[in-house]
Amino acid sequence: QVQLKESGPVLVQASETLSLTCTVSGFSLTNYGVIWVRQPPGKGLEWMGIIWRNGNTDYNSALKSRLSINRDTSKSQVFLKMNSLQTDDTAIYYCTRDPAGSGDYWGQGVMVTVSS
Amino acid sequence: DIQMTQSPSFLSASVGDRVTINCKASQNINKYLDWYQQKHGEAPKLLIYNTNNLQTGIPSRFSGSGSGTDYTLTISSLQPEDVATYFCLQHSSRYTFGAGTKLELK
Repeated sequence: QVQLKESGPVLVQASETLSLTCTVSGFSLTNYGVIWVRQPPGKGLEWMGIIWRNGNTDYNSALKSRLSINRDTSKSQVFLKMNSLQTDDTAIYYCTRDPAGSGDYWGQGVMVTVSS
Repeated sequence: DIQMTQSPSFLSASVGDRVTINCKASQNINKYLDWYQQKHGEAPKLLIYNTNNLQTGIPSRFSGSGSGTDYTLTISSLQPEDVATYFCLQHSSRYTFGAGTKLELK
């Protein structure tokens, strides 16, 4: 059974670094990519970045300077780190498997609030 | 980066209506276009992938079409459970979501 689950702090101070983990099960990170998507309250979806099955990464140009995505395939975990947080980084952060056409699997999302 | 212009932003329709939502890409995306439905408080749900492929378990009243820069999601006969926000997503070059269409019942 394919599952993804995000974990991490729900409250982060402005200017600090956000660290989130996406723990997956039911598939191998060497066979599928993992995407991070976020959604500010009441707003649309924003693609943040992807770690491909070969371990390469690609990032949203608007976030690239402060975002990194890594993984530990032995633990089936994908890590998101984003620095210099501001209040407009407050959002629900989701991880999802890629490609979507292979099956639609999302984590439940984690709501992160950035406090000033 | 590729920009996606989704229209309309809001849509009010009656049960049984045919509904269309459009996404226009800033360049040719070669049919690498997915459609998602999101209900309040839930994660997005894939409806259509690669322009016109219906995701398993999605009702056949949903369909997708398009090519080049212009893509359309069609709901052939609107049902009450279709009230949601709909997003397109291009994955031809990196990924970009459309801004969303909020669909309400008239």
